[in-house]
Amino acid sequence: EVQVLESGGGLVQPGGSLRLSCAASGLTFSNYGLSWVRQAPGKGLEWVSAITVGGNSYYADSVKGRFTISRDKFKNTLYLQMNSLRAEDTAIYYCVRGISGPDYWGQGTLVTVSS
Amino acid sequence: DVVMTQSPLSLPVTLGQPASISCKCSQSLVYSDGNTYLTWFLQRPGQSPRRLIYKVSNRDSWVPDRFSGSGSGTDFTLKISRVEAEDVGVYYCMQGTHWPRTFGQGTKVEIK
Repeated sequence: EVQVLESGGGLVQPGGSLRLSCAASGLTFSNYGLSWVRQAPGKGLEWVSAITVGGNSYYADSVKGRFTISRDKFKNTLYLQMNSLRAEDTAIYYCVRGISGPDYWGQGTLVTVSS
Repeated sequence: DVVMTQSPLSLPVTLGQPASISCKCSQSLVYSDGNTYLTWFLQRPGQSPRRLIYKVSNRDSWVPDRFSGSGSGTDFTLKISRVEAEDVGVYYCMQGTHWPRTFGQGTKVEIK
């Protein structure tokens, strides 16, 4: 069975940090660019960050300088280090395979930034 | 940033009738490799988004042939020839040509 599984979400205070992880089973990440997409409660989809096969990274202006995307090809895993979190970062974070027309999406992990 | 404008934002449809969603972009989505990276997703209630169509008009394997995508440059359309109950949800277009990637606002399809 093909699965993309995010973890690491939770409740964090404003200014705090979280590290999201995303692991795949039944499909490979190694030959694909990977992305994070988020969805605030009751809102639409917002692209957050992407990393190419070669390791080049891209960010939305809203998270640039605060979030860092990385990948471990040997572990078939994607990460998102989130620092200086704000209330407006509250969302479900989806791990997605692909950067130009993503095909597989995970179930998402909820990040809540609140005091 | 490329602005993706979907219309309508809400689409009540009758079962068995056609439906159409427009996605207009503020810049051409033709990439230097000749491809146009316009993708459509469906997010059913309570579920993660799922890709329907990639590179304008290519259906994913799970997608019935009543769905079709068309368009070029800056104007794109998703059509459903005969709406079924399972088609209910929010449809998003996304551009994968320019950085940062951007999504349309979403079109909510519901049954009348």
